[in-house]
Amino acid sequence: DADVTQTPRNRITKTGKRIMLECSQTKGHDRMYWYRQDPGLGLQLIYYSFDVKDINKGEISDGYSVSRQAQAKFSLSLESAIPNQTALYFCATSDNARGAQETQYFGPGTRLLVL
Amino acid sequence: DQQVKQNSPSLSVQEGRISILNCDYTNSMFDYFLWYKKYPAEGPTFLISISSIKDKNEDGRFTVFLNKSAKHLSLHIVPSQPGDSAVYFCAASTDSWGKLQFGAGTQVVVTP
Repeated sequence: DADVTQTPRNRITKTGKRIMLECSQTKGHDRMYWYRQDPGLGLQLIYYSFDVKDINKGEISDGYSVSRQAQAKFSLSLESAIPNQTALYFCATSDNARGAQETQYFGPGTRLLVL
Repeated sequence: DQQVKQNSPSLSVQEGRISILNCDYTNSMFDYFLWYKKYPAEGPTFLISISSIKDKNEDGRFTVFLNKSAKHLSLHIVPSQPGDSAVYFCAASTDSWGKLQFGAGTQVVVTP
């Protein structure tokens, strides 16, 4: 079973619609992240959360919001989708409990197309 | 403003030979560097990392070299195998908080 799961895996929506992407993890990690990947740009950080009560904006948070419902769940919402939010979205988790430089573990991604 | 750059979008190498992937960065505050590997329809998976206090880290067929003065790191894969065909991302962070800056990736194709 996958440690980090994302639903849906693929989604087509129309401009102006509200959509939610969900991420769940069974790794027991405190930290969770949302990234988007665009062709030729690598991964860009949208939001991150170091625990349930901690939410922080990343590099490209405009047009997005998040909810950390529990340690294991971190959802990304597009309040009013626009075509330039068409991208591949990844959720990731990490555990920095020992203060060491950490590794992030990624989900399989959600491919979103906004028409 | 991309602080981590992978200037080669693709690399083709023969099976058994060495693959060398390059990554340059502009932020001298980066102190931790990672390589991730990504197969189609999957998320990136961690491959190898290096701290700025080292200049080399080796793990099996994979070795990462760091040249801080040149702000350059490279990943060597020896020998290359068909299963190494994937996109490789270089990433860097300025602290231990896990906020990573990613390069655009290099597509590696290992041919028989």
